[in-house]
Amino acid sequence: DAGITQSPRHKVTETGTPVTLRCHQTENHRYMYWYRQDPGHGLRLIHYSYGVKDTDKGEVSDGYSVSRSKTEDFLLTLESATSSQTSVYFCAISDRTGFDYGYTFGSGTRLTVV
Amino acid sequence: EDKVVQSPLSLVVHEGDTVTLNCSYEVTNFRSLLWYKQEKKAPTFLFMLTSSGIEKKSGRLSSILDKKELFSILNITATQTGDSAIYLCAVGDNAGNMLTFGGGTRLMVKP
Repeated sequence: DAGITQSPRHKVTETGTPVTLRCHQTENHRYMYWYRQDPGHGLRLIHYSYGVKDTDKGEVSDGYSVSRSKTEDFLLTLESATSSQTSVYFCAISDRTGFDYGYTFGSGTRLTVV
Repeated sequence: EDKVVQSPLSLVVHEGDTVTLNCSYEVTNFRSLLWYKQEKKAPTFLFMLTSSGIEKKSGRLSSILDKKELFSILNITATQTGDSAIYLCAVGDNAGNMLTFGGGTRLMVKP
């Protein structure tokens, strides 16, 4: 989507290895979010950020960490990947009004842990 | 903890049919309810509702919110194959700037 990009788009990794997914925005939005999407579960919040170096946990944060050293980048790290973390990961951004007008989502990263 | 439940889980219809998708929610301090459409990639925003009884419309899609009974419906009339997608409902809580999503309804429209 314009203004937000995720990388990589696809990744296959082995159990036990660390993995970092990147979300980059050019909108200068304050809020950034990481969600995972699994069949039957919709989108579940992993972590979110409300400013540089300000982050908080979401519903399914175990096994994940995040960092935001610049407004435009929000990194999601799987410290030691497990098969249960095979999923599609979406990054989203919003500004102050995004709470009322929704988020803008990236195109997703499909992660497979073998 | 905020909770959003969508029904049905999946639905198969034929072109021209009318469908109704349901979203019920439990939220501590309701602020808004949003509908998204997700085709192959990123969810895209459809509607945002905050007031009961006021219908939002966009072409063949419409949605309404009932804050007393804590649910919303999304109607699609004269369905087309291009309506095939996952439809997601989400609620916003005044306590924090985040959305809680339901599990989605997968709609398939056959020619």
